[in-house]
Amino acid sequence: EPEVTQTPSHQVTQMGQEVILRCVPISNHLYFYWYRQILGQKVEFLVSFYNNEISEKSEIFDDQFSVERPDGSNFTLKIRSTKLEDSAMYFCASSPLRGAHGYTFGSGTRLTVV
Amino acid sequence: QQQVKQSPQSLIVQKGGISIINCAYENTAFDYFPWYQQFPGKGPALLIAIRPDVSEKKEGRFTISFNKSAKQFSLHIMDSQPGDSATYFCAASIPQGGSEKLVFGKGTKLTVNP
Repeated sequence: EPEVTQTPSHQVTQMGQEVILRCVPISNHLYFYWYRQILGQKVEFLVSFYNNEISEKSEIFDDQFSVERPDGSNFTLKIRSTKLEDSAMYFCASSPLRGAHGYTFGSGTRLTVV
Repeated sequence: QQQVKQSPQSLIVQKGGISIINCAYENTAFDYFPWYQQFPGKGPALLIAIRPDVSEKKEGRFTISFNKSAKQFSLHIMDSQPGDSATYFCAASIPQGGSEKLVFGKGTKLTVNP
């Protein structure tokens, strides 16, 4: 069964450093998403991406965050200057169509900011 | 109001019992209601989903009951097994920009005792 692949599985970084979280969505999917889950809390929407541009972003997704699809397969989330409160699980998801019924989530990257 | 309220926060059930998790929403723009199962260290995995024009959907031991007038929906797990022990999230999908955003409940940690 096709998977959304995320790397690394765990990243530890110092406060103020830049991090890039990587995702390989399912190959024929057209919509891409990032969500995050702070430990013990609910999963929260960050951003959606379609046709090489951001479709929608949440209030969490401020100027410190950016997304990119640098080639035909990768989808990245960059946090420019990490804060302690950015520590969370970050999930990438993709879907073939606009509707949510095709959403597939990756296993996540656990980001720890120290 | 883009919130989905989920209860209970945790649930302990004996093997063979019925697990029931409830969710409620306010926004009538939500157009799709999935349930996700999440094991520790993994991403949310789609379990079962329903559209608001259907009152019930059953897949194996899992059933969603949907009450559109009350804006409530619930997940029933029949003959609960220890392997069902996981965190369950209800979610609601809403068109946003050019894509679809998922709004999650806070999750229910289900423990099924042998």
